[in-house]
Amino acid sequence: KAGVTQTPRYLIKTRGQQVTLSCSPISGHRSVSWYQQTPGQGLQFLFEYFSETQRNKGNFPGRFSGRQFSNSRSEMNVSTLELGDSALYLCASSLSWTGNNSPLHFGNGTRLTVT
Amino acid sequence: GENVEQHPSTLSVQEGDSAVIKCTYSDSASNYFPWYKQELGKGPQLIIDIRSNVGEKKDQRIAVTLNKTAKHFSLHITETQPEDSAVYFCAASEEDMRFGAGTRLTVKP
Repeated sequence: KAGVTQTPRYLIKTRGQQVTLSCSPISGHRSVSWYQQTPGQGLQFLFEYFSETQRNKGNFPGRFSGRQFSNSRSEMNVSTLELGDSALYLCASSLSWTGNNSPLHFGNGTRLTVT
Repeated sequence: GENVEQHPSTLSVQEGDSAVIKCTYSDSASNYFPWYKQELGKGPQLIIDIRSNVGEKKDQRIAVTLNKTAKHFSLHITETQPEDSAVYFCAASEEDMRFGAGTRLTVKP
């Protein structure tokens, strides 16, 4: 079974631009969660989608948004990029929503650098 | 929301020794506690998990213990090997999954 696939692997953007990251979950998984990983802040929860609905959202500004499609694939968007948005963005999929004690399976992330 | 604290932030052991990483959580409603291992250039990988109705779980050289009263859980790795060197994250889940800050484990041959 193929794992979680995130594209692209690396991205360089300029301050003020916007970016879209893509995540394909493991086949059959209906939940997709997004995390931001930085050396100083660790893994910070962005949001979770289950059956195309946002179930939960972390403490990030409205510039961070996401969506999930009917095939469970998900995208996250960051608008008006800031230098502090430079991070590894991780997507994780699970069979059910995380409140159901469902393990997360992570992709290898998209490394975003904002200059 | 849930707050997870993890200690130590770095841990260096000699090959063959044991390693212990400890986590505490704040939300007493949390009921699922996974541990992840992250190697360089890769996403975190689930290595073991425990649910709130269980006090201890073991899988070969790794074990996890949970004390729900004290709201803490620990990862134990015995007979460590150089390939165990990585960053380890604990997590606690109720409505969503929150992670500790990570422990960088180095196993010296």
